[in-house]
Amino acid sequence: DAKTTQPPSMDCAEGRAANLPCNHSTISGNEYVYWYRQIHSQGPQYIIHGLKNNETNEMASLIITEDRKSSTLILPHATLRDTAVYYCIVRTVIQGAQKLVFGQGTRLTINP
Amino acid sequence: EPEVTQTPSHQVTQMGQEVILRCVPISNHLYFYWYRQILGQKVEFLVSFYNNEISEKSEIFDDQFSVERPDGSNFTLKIRSTKLEDSAMYFCASLAENYNEQFFGPGTRLTVL
Repeated sequence: DAKTTQPPSMDCAEGRAANLPCNHSTISGNEYVYWYRQIHSQGPQYIIHGLKNNETNEMASLIITEDRKSSTLILPHATLRDTAVYYCIVRTVIQGAQKLVFGQGTRLTINP
Repeated sequence: EPEVTQTPSHQVTQMGQEVILRCVPISNHLYFYWYRQILGQKVEFLVSFYNNEISEKSEIFDDQFSVERPDGSNFTLKIRSTKLEDSAMYFCASLAENYNEQFFGPGTRLTVL
């Protein structure tokens, strides 16, 4: 699976959009971009994933560049409860072998 | 909303003792996982389980570790002889067939003294 690079920490004001970048310059054609988050000591929580098109769900939007070498997770109206470590994970979806490989992630702090 | 549950939430044990961590995955899920997170470090994959057998395991998952699905609902992780370095949060996760989202439990904090 391709390696990802994320900033170690970011701050965002409550109510503003939080934009979390991820670089994955060695991504290959069959690899997806996944985002998970971990709120203090809890189990990781799935947010969103995509292959090449932009995706949106009730939690967030995922913008993937045309060359797929980077992506941005957008939390449109961040709340204090969005304070967490956010993980960008690039992986091939192989049935029966879908382990997740976590990096250090980005520690996002939402400030009141 | 269905969720993965884990018991106990906190387990304290003496070095050399056996521990069993229990997980109840979401009922219609077919893939099961254990991960661990040592305090201040990243989440690490331990083992995946499908169709009543291990499908993949990491280097961490040595002979001291074993997993079992003893009945239709529980998924357990056993550590035969705990070491100090086994102290960590242990997370269970499950996945439905043909889906991409792994659901994680709240974790069991294991403290080895």
